[in-house]
Amino acid sequence: EPEVTQTPSHQVTQMGQEVILRCVPISNHLYFYWYRQILGQKVEFLVSFYNNEISEKSEIFDDQFSVERPDGSNFTLKIRSTKLEDSAMYFCASSAREGSYNEQFFGPGTRLTVL
Amino acid sequence: KQEVTQIPAALSVPEGENLVLNCSFTDSAIYNLQWFRQDPGKGLTSLLLIQSSQREQTSGRLNASLDKSSGRSTLYIAASQPGDSATYLCAVRSNQGGKLIFGQGTELSVKP
Repeated sequence: EPEVTQTPSHQVTQMGQEVILRCVPISNHLYFYWYRQILGQKVEFLVSFYNNEISEKSEIFDDQFSVERPDGSNFTLKIRSTKLEDSAMYFCASSAREGSYNEQFFGPGTRLTVL
Repeated sequence: KQEVTQIPAALSVPEGENLVLNCSFTDSAIYNLQWFRQDPGKGLTSLLLIQSSQREQTSGRLNASLDKSSGRSTLYIAASQPGDSATYLCAVRSNQGGKLIFGQGTELSVKP
């Protein structure tokens, strides 16, 4: 069964460093998302991406964040200068099409620890 | 602004019991609602998707209902098993786009 994959599973970085989180969405999907979950808190939406551009972003997704689909399979989230409060589990998700009938499928997550 | 709330925050039941998890949302104008399962330190596994036009959806021992007008959904788990122990999340998709808005989850423990 197709699934969303994410690498790495755990990333440790120093405050101020750049990190890139990678995702491979399900191959025929068109819509891609990043969410994050700070320990003990709700899952929060960051950004959605369709047709090679951002379709929606949250207040969390400021200038320190960017997303890219560099080729036909990968979808990346870059954090330019990490802060302690960026420590969280980051989830990538994808869905097949817009409209009310699609389902979002999530990857296993990347745990980001900023020291 | 859409808010999603799940009650109870935690639930412990003996094996074999039927149980109901509750989810409420403040804005009834939704496209769909998804129920997820999350094991500790793991990703989200989609369990059921209910479209806004549907009243319920079933998969195996799981049954999810949706009452848009009252802003409520329930997840019914029949004949619970220890393997059902996990956190269950509900999430609604708003009219304004594809993002999901999540509740804080119900942590379920099924005791043998």
